[in-house]
Amino acid sequence: GENVEQHPSTLSVQEGDSAVIKCTYSDSASNYFPWYKQELGKRPQLIIDIRSNVGEKKDQRIAVTLNKTAKHFSLHITETQPEDSAVYFCAGMDSSYKLIFGSGTRLLVRP
Amino acid sequence: SAVISQKPSRDICQRGTSLTIQCQVDSQVTMMFWYRQQPGQSLTLIATANQGSEATYESGFVIDKFPISRPNLTFSTLTVSNMSPEDSSIYLCSTLQGDTEAFFGQGTRLTVV
Repeated sequence: GENVEQHPSTLSVQEGDSAVIKCTYSDSASNYFPWYKQELGKRPQLIIDIRSNVGEKKDQRIAVTLNKTAKHFSLHITETQPEDSAVYFCAGMDSSYKLIFGSGTRLLVRP
Repeated sequence: SAVISQKPSRDICQRGTSLTIQCQVDSQVTMMFWYRQQPGQSLTLIATANQGSEATYESGFVIDKFPISRPNLTFSTLTVSNMSPEDSSIYLCSTLQGDTEAFFGQGTRLTVV
């Protein structure tokens, strides 16, 4: 089955700097890779996703890149703001439509 | 986007008892998923629940401990049976919009004492 690894586990950046979170996956049949943001005490919220037929996708300050050959994908947040502080999870969807999550990255944006 | 209502939002239960968590979706959906999120951890898939068939459980989760019902295309329940303190966790239901985008219920924070 699918296995998703995520790093770093914690990331502290200065406001305005960029943040990068990386994930690798094991199942070459996986074809959908979402990123979720979870604030304390709240449910995970989808922030961006990418399908396997696309190499990069951007949405304002957030971008995701996918390298299918190497089986890794990354989240890039530019011009970070304190409200970006949260836990971020990557995930991979296997052929059974099951989402397998990475271990999470706690992002702290220092004002 | 799909709206999922999950209840209860939290509960404190005595060990040895059972708790049933309910999820209601505002539209008909084929697949529903149940996750567990232990404190400070990631989401772990418990099972997939399709209407009209038995739930499919992931490794480490069994039907006797986590029975699931899926009586129709908008509703599902997860029961946590014979609870112990190790079951203290957040339980989340989820469904897909289209065939990819996953939405979550607000979660049930369970504390077993």
